[in-house]
Amino acid sequence: AQSVAQPEDQVNVAEGNPLTVKCTYSVSGNPYLFWYVQYPNRGLQFLLKYITGDNLVKGSYGFEAEFNKSQTSFHLKKPSALVSDSALYFCVGGQAAGNKLTFGGGTRVLVKP
Amino acid sequence: DTAVSQTPKYLVTQMGNDKSIKCEQNLGHDTMYWYKQDSKKFLKIMFSYNNKELIINETVPNRFSPKSPDKAHLNLHINSLELGDSAVYFCASSQAGIRGETQYFGPGTRLLVL
Repeated sequence: AQSVAQPEDQVNVAEGNPLTVKCTYSVSGNPYLFWYVQYPNRGLQFLLKYITGDNLVKGSYGFEAEFNKSQTSFHLKKPSALVSDSALYFCVGGQAAGNKLTFGGGTRVLVKP
Repeated sequence: DTAVSQTPKYLVTQMGNDKSIKCEQNLGHDTMYWYKQDSKKFLKIMFSYNNKELIINETVPNRFSPKSPDKAHLNLHINSLELGDSAVYFCASSQAGIRGETQYFGPGTRLLVL
């Protein structure tokens, strides 16, 4: 069975400061992992994904994530947060059969001016 | 152009009614999905179709019936609506439904059952 955990319900950060959203996973076999963002009353937008290769993945809007196999983590990072980054972030794991996605519980990010 | 669109955007209805939500994608993808997001924002897959064929069918009450008239459309019909069906329903699509593909989501349909 596959599971994805986001240990923080909410992350507060001041604008201009680094932003980190944590994610750990538990899968059998080689994992593939995504980050999606949901703005208020909007659908989910793809940010980035890891399948194989370089452990540091760069995505949209200046976000990046580091795949760490030994710590089974895939934390999302941004060097300098913007107020417009305030949203709900989902870490997502994928499985082989039918590209079924398993979502983490979500982390709400609040960036204060 | 909207890549994945859903109608209606909002749906308010009484318990016991039957309703449908429509989804269309213009990305040329072969695979489409339905997800349910509950009041705590938890997202879970319900169904997946690849080229009009059902490939994922999670533990969902049989009051929910997906229908795919062609690979660009995946509709969700719900019979005998219950209070617990109130949620946001998201449609998504991906190229071929294979491992590692990015899924593209619609804007969601907010269903409120009274």
